[in-house]
Amino acid sequence: QSVLTQPPSVSAAPGQKVTISCSGSSSTIGNNHVSWYQQLPGTVPKLLIYETNKRPSGIPDRFSGSKSGTSATLDITGLQTGDEADYYCGTWDSNLRVEFFGGGTKVTVL
Amino acid sequence: EVQLLESGGDLVQPGGSLRLSCTASGFTFDNHAMSWVRQAPGKGLEWLSGIGRSDGGTFYADSVKGRFTISRDNSKNTLFLQMNSLRVEDTAIYYCAKGHNLASYSELAYWGQGTLVTVSS
Repeated sequence: QSVLTQPPSVSAAPGQKVTISCSGSSSTIGNNHVSWYQQLPGTVPKLLIYETNKRPSGIPDRFSGSKSGTSATLDITGLQTGDEADYYCGTWDSNLRVEFFGGGTKVTVL
Repeated sequence: EVQLLESGGDLVQPGGSLRLSCTASGFTFDNHAMSWVRQAPGKGLEWLSGIGRSDGGTFYADSVKGRFTISRDNSKNTLFLQMNSLRVEDTAIYYCAKGHNLASYSELAYWGQGTLVTVSS
């Protein structure tokens, strides 16, 4: 059981929106920034969101992040077939002093 | 351009040891914290260890604490992971990664291509 809890899968039609949740605790999400990663099949993870809601250069604004309390959310709008991938949240644990990833969410474009 | 190149992955028997290396280029290596992350076949990401900048402070996940040791040679722009007492469940692709910010073990913006470690008899 992961310290950060994500739904195993979400799906939507092209052009629609999906929301991926990431639930943690006060020592993780509650007191630290959240990052999100996209891992396309057979590739290395790519940073999508850092500092909870910032996008690295080159990441389209269809991807957005937010958090409230001990939960974080990744929204993907205007869903495209190329968005089919596994998505992971990540954050630091202030008490244990380690980084944790969520279990991952598989996004399927119907 | 930031580049991270891992090496050292191999097939090893349970109980054996292995040393992974990660050669960095394209940035001032000794100014950045670094991390190791692994991914078992068909599984999710697992952060293993991080090392600070020049002072070399280290952090470990419980799953590898006492068995794995992270270190760095700033003169050679190289990060290491010494892995002892290897178990079948350590079988994974091992990535080295650099955070978006100088001192961050999180928000891993740059990843190597990974090196495969297989623990099997």
